[in-house]
Amino acid sequence: QSVLTQPPSVSGAPGQRVTISCTGSSSNIGANYDVHWYRQLPGTAPQLLIYGNTNRPSGVPDRFSGSKSGTSASLAITGLQAEDEADYYCQSYDNSLSGFYVFGTGTKVTVL
Amino acid sequence: QVQLVQSGAEVKKPGASVKVSCKASGYTFTDHYIHWMRQAPGQGLEWMGWINPDSGATNYAQRFQDRVSMTRDTSIGTAFLDVNRVRSDDTAVYYCARRWGPAWRCMDVWGQGTTVTVS
Repeated sequence: QSVLTQPPSVSGAPGQRVTISCTGSSSNIGANYDVHWYRQLPGTAPQLLIYGNTNRPSGVPDRFSGSKSGTSASLAITGLQAEDEADYYCQSYDNSLSGFYVFGTGTKVTVL
Repeated sequence: QVQLVQSGAEVKKPGASVKVSCKASGYTFTDHYIHWMRQAPGQGLEWMGWINPDSGATNYAQRFQDRVSMTRDTSIGTAFLDVNRVRSDDTAVYYCARRWGPAWRCMDVWGQGTTVTVS
């Protein structure tokens, strides 16, 4: 059902940098709609991490950064910490009949 | 502080209906759209639709249009999600969330989630 594709998992050692890709199409990311990112810790509700492709809400450390190009977007986490182990989802808007708000398939980040 | 508090867990038999509530506090309820998402066990997030608490207007994802209803009661600052004729694949955690504002199509405040089990 998800129209935004993410890798199922990424991993890295503490202190390393990891990136998560989010691939869409011409009806969502490629149509110049913004991409947003959420972090979901185990057993909890998602939390907004990045909004408008590159912006961090108040309280989100600058270790998290977002980018967007063409029909894809990426989330980078630098200085990986144990507390970053969570599921991460991208989200955008889609102008096709399948639905208006769309989420990515989700990526599990594991800190080795 | 700004928060959304959802109703408690539900267990329903197939074919029944379920109603989940989402009470807003700490902000003006009618200033922000409320969105509903769900997450089946071990799966990702799925967007279901939104309601404009000010006008009551709604917009549902196509796959839910015939079984879902979103309403609100502005006197108590609460939004509601009704799912009719539930099936086993409706078993999920249901979340409400507030759209940040007109400039950004994202959700900045989420409810804690309501587990709905169909069995």
